Amino acid sequence: GNSVTQMEGPVTLSEEAFLTINCTYTATGYPSLFWYVQYPGEGLQLLLKATKADDKGSNKGFEATYRKETTSFHLEKGSVQVSDSAVYFCALFNYGGSQGNLIFGKGTKLSVKP
Amino acid sequence: SQTIHQWPATLVQPVGSPLSLECTVEGTSNPNLYWYRQAAGRGLQLLFYSVGIGQISSEVPQNLSASRPQDRQFILSSKKLLLSDSGFYLCAWGVQGGTEAFFGQGTRLTVV
Repeated sequence: GNSVTQMEGPVTLSEEAFLTINCTYTATGYPSLFWYVQYPGEGLQLLLKATKADDKGSNKGFEATYRKETTSFHLEKGSVQVSDSAVYFCALFNYGGSQGNLIFGKGTKLSVKP
Repeated sequence: SQTIHQWPATLVQPVGSPLSLECTVEGTSNPNLYWYRQAAGRGLQLLFYSVGIGQISSEVPQNLSASRPQDRQFILSSKKLLLSDSGFYLCAWGVQGGTEAFFGQGTRLTVV
């Protein structure tokens, strides 16, 4: 079946540090991949996406590259800010899946200290 | 533009009481609709999804039910709440044939 595994948190970084949040997936076929962000007390917002192998999604300084050979979609940012503190979810969408097609990882909480 | 409304934002209910959470979408037709629950330390769990009026698929057996009485309305219900129903409930919509979902602001439910 389809599944998403992302690194356990919480992750605590100092401002301007480099961020990596690992995400790997299991899926048949060619899923689309997403990163969503959830700020405290709010719903989820789409951060970036990639729809095919070697695509790079980017937004607000965050990047993730769809790696089919390693079934990964790691999230990176070169210099984090306090305002990036949030929970980050990796997700995949796969046509024909049994779980309503959109499947999320468990989320990684990021705290950025000034 | 499309918007999604979910209410209430917070809710405190006693064990055994009924529940009704409502979600509506504006600015689109025939969306896919989803209910997710986010429990502490357990990530985001898909509860129900719907591809059309009256069409509901349930992902996990539980104390909850969902209904879609209108094209852009999705309701999450329970006849008798359990303590374990506490959590953050999120409604989302997606375009038919599309791949991403757009989320509401969520409802924080505390069952006491």
